[in-house]
Amino acid sequence: GDSVTQMEGPVTLSEEAFLTINCTYTATGYPSLFWYVQYPGEGLQLLLKATKADDKGSNKGFEATYRKETTSFHLEKGSVQVSDSAVYFCALRDAGGTSYGKLTFGQGTILTVHP
Amino acid sequence: DTEVTQTPKHLVMGMTNKKSLKCEQHMGHRAMYWYKQKAKKPPELMFVYSYEKLSINESVPSRFSPECPNSSLLNLHLHALQPEDSALYLCASSPSPDMSKNIQYFGAGTRLSVL
Repeated sequence: GDSVTQMEGPVTLSEEAFLTINCTYTATGYPSLFWYVQYPGEGLQLLLKATKADDKGSNKGFEATYRKETTSFHLEKGSVQVSDSAVYFCALRDAGGTSYGKLTFGQGTILTVHP
Repeated sequence: DTEVTQTPKHLVMGMTNKKSLKCEQHMGHRAMYWYKQKAKKPPELMFVYSYEKLSINESVPSRFSPECPNSSLLNLHLHALQPEDSALYLCASSPSPDMSKNIQYFGAGTRLSVL
């Protein structure tokens, strides 16, 4: 079955540091890939997405590129802020027609940014 | 506007109580989802409604009963819950269950405590 593996956290950075959170996946066909962010006490917010190989998703300074050859979708940001402290989930959506958009999530990575 | 509204935000109930969670969206989305999220874990899919019909039930115990009265509203009826059912319950919606249009937007969740 489909699976998503994220780098283990927690990740602790100083403000303005470079961020990378690794995400790799296993799936048949051509899944769509997503990054969601969950701030403390809140639901999930869609951060960015990519629907085919070599697509780059970007939002709020975050970027991720769909790499089919390495089955990866790593999240990057050049300069993190304290307000980026949250839990980040990588997810894939099965390409199968009967899955009704079922998402498979990674375990989540806790990011803490200090001033 | 990509707002999914969940009520109540917090709910405390005893094991003999009957309660309901409510989820509402006015974006014209035709797929709606219930997820359960335990602390420090990713969301787990419970139910999927597609065009107001139950399409996926992920082997959820019958003490959880979903209902989709119309295309904007999704309920989760709770009865005879166990303490281990305490969790954050998230609702999500998507424009369509069809792969090409399926992007899920989440509500803020209902934090449920079962005593």
